[in-house]
Amino acid sequence: GAVVSQHPSWVICKSGTSVKIECRSLDFQATTMFWYRQFPKQSLMLMATSNEGSKATYEQGVEKDKFLINHASLTLSTLTVTSAHPEDSSFYICSAREGQKTQYFGPGTRLLVL
Amino acid sequence: QKEVEQDPGPLSVPEGAIVSLNCTYSNSAFQYFMWYRQYSRKGPELLMYTYSSGNKEDGRFTAQVDKSSKYISLFIRDSQPSDSATYLCAMTGRDDKIIFGKGTRLHILP
Repeated sequence: GAVVSQHPSWVICKSGTSVKIECRSLDFQATTMFWYRQFPKQSLMLMATSNEGSKATYEQGVEKDKFLINHASLTLSTLTVTSAHPEDSSFYICSAREGQKTQYFGPGTRLLVL
Repeated sequence: QKEVEQDPGPLSVPEGAIVSLNCTYSNSAFQYFMWYRQYSRKGPELLMYTYSSGNKEDGRFTAQVDKSSKYISLFIRDSQPSDSATYLCAMTGRDDKIIFGKGTRLHILP
């Protein structure tokens, strides 16, 4: 089946620093990638949708200047959390799909901001 | 009213029992219904995918959709300890945006 990877799997950073998370589709071309956030015992909440070569579309309440998304190629999307604060600590999960096919999820990145 | 409601559990059942997991939803535009399994600190894994009403079976798993009642179910037969995980229902309509339930934590007791 299709494989999506994320790097790093976990990261700890100081408040005020920026953190970049990578999402890669390993064996298919991801025309669309999605970024989700999941707080403990909560559901996955969609943050933004990005199409290769286009600007990301952010969900209501998600600050686009704080969560920078780049989808520069058909196999890579990055999420940068700028000036991270403790309330940004969460589990960030990407997913990817080729065309209108099924979304495949990455293993997630756990972010802890001290 | 939330778009998707799912009892968070935890649900504990003995090994070998039949497990029934359910979700209700409010948006009649939803057409595609999915069940994901998520192990602790991992990303969700697609288990079942159903379009519109009806049943779908895959091994020990059966998914049911009743659009008239806005109710979906996942049944797991002959449950195993390895089935212990969080099960998320999810659905989407024409806009392709997936809406997830909160997930039900399932524990299969050996």
